[in-house]
Amino acid sequence: DAKTTQPPSMDCAEGRAANLPCNHSTISGNEYVYWYRQIHSQGPQYIIHGLKNNETNEMASLIITEDRKSSTLILPHATLRDTAVYYCIVIIFGNEKLTFGTGTRLTIIP
Amino acid sequence: EAGVVQSPRYKIIEKKQPVAFWCNPISGHNTLYWYRQNLGQGPELLIRYENEEAVDDSQLPKDRFSAERLKGVDSTLKIQPAELGDSAVYLCASSPRVGRQETQYFGPGTRLLVL
Repeated sequence: DAKTTQPPSMDCAEGRAANLPCNHSTISGNEYVYWYRQIHSQGPQYIIHGLKNNETNEMASLIITEDRKSSTLILPHATLRDTAVYYCIVIIFGNEKLTFGTGTRLTIIP
Repeated sequence: EAGVVQSPRYKIIEKKQPVAFWCNPISGHNTLYWYRQNLGQGPELLIRYENEEAVDDSQLPKDRFSAERLKGVDSTLKIQPAELGDSAVYLCASSPRVGRQETQYFGPGTRLLVL
């Protein structure tokens, strides 16, 4: 069974905040939430990760619910270059392999 | 800092022909990965190297796929003979620390088309 569930596609207007949800209802206490994205014709790119606290970096913010069963990746001011497939991955911190699902295809509309 | 370099970027071959892909990871990165990505799917791990040792090749179809990382730096993935179903993007990635797979740096991939 997949560890995460994401909507297959989303649209967002340029300049608005893009909020990408991820459901991980079976997450265990030692599993982190990682986000990668893959722009067309490129390899995946690491965005951000978190355990239970909200996190922010220069690319995005990650909001994890208190029960840790879901999270939201926020791109605060989406640009056309943010059009990509976004992958939410749950992984134990250490020597577990990355397992990519099919992700959410985010399209930023001018 | 240079990223992960892969070549060629595109390759078109006829079925039953051999093909090879090359990857140069980020300098100093000890762990190297090869992934295959089918259209509309996420990448799937084929093999992972820690330095020159293949530590996870459980998903590598060993009847026709082979890989090497002789000096623990660059790596080659080979398919011989190629089949129609091998058409995909082959991605190489690296990470700096052995035993830590969460953060990986990916190359642009090689898009293979088998006719």
